[in-house]
Amino acid sequence: ETGVTQTPRHLVMGMTNKKSLKCEQHLGHNAMYWYKQSAKKPLELMFVYSLEERVENNSVPSRFSPECPNSSHLFLHLHTLQPEDSALYLCASSQARGRHYTFGSGTRLTVV
Amino acid sequence: AQKITQTQPGMFVQEKEAVTLDCTYDTSDPSYGLFWYKQPSSGEMIFLIYQGSYDQQNATEGRYSLNFQKARKSANLVISASQLGDSAMYFCAMREGLDQGAQKLVFGQGTRLTINP
Repeated sequence: ETGVTQTPRHLVMGMTNKKSLKCEQHLGHNAMYWYKQSAKKPLELMFVYSLEERVENNSVPSRFSPECPNSSHLFLHLHTLQPEDSALYLCASSQARGRHYTFGSGTRLTVV
Repeated sequence: AQKITQTQPGMFVQEKEAVTLDCTYDTSDPSYGLFWYKQPSSGEMIFLIYQGSYDQQNATEGRYSLNFQKARKSANLVISASQLGDSAMYFCAMREGLDQGAQKLVFGQGTRLTINP
């Protein structure tokens, strides 16, 4: 257990479905991140939240919608996804000026 | 331009040998940090070692050490006495702006390390 918990671990969804990924951290961190890891590509940053405010949106399509209701929770809402969105979605947390980034185990998403 | 470059897609090493995984980086920010993560097949990113740009000495953590050559902009990971459990993907990453607020980690493409018995 790393201190960052992601649920679900696996998700299969159709292109017309709506689902949400959840990330929870109990490390007292105040910054949270969503990364996408596709096969044979480097990890791509999607969103950064610092003190519950979105500070970076890395040109992510609007079918991905993040939400950070408090410093311990981060969601990624998904709707009308495409098969190319199938990937491992990793959540991470850190102190805003810290050097320790802790990652969750990821949600492996398959869009059919 | 890529900020982090890992030129070895795959490495095969005999158990108990030392292995060096290469990483070069590109930044104009004088204040940055370099990280190495291990990712087993389960998917979790496990932090291994950190080197700050102002650190005078190379970082070490158990069997892991970081060969930091600032002028060459390289931050190679050295694993001594490799074990079968070291087989995994290894990622080099960089954070710029250490004195600023939340900053993203930028990752390299990764190196798949396989330890042979």
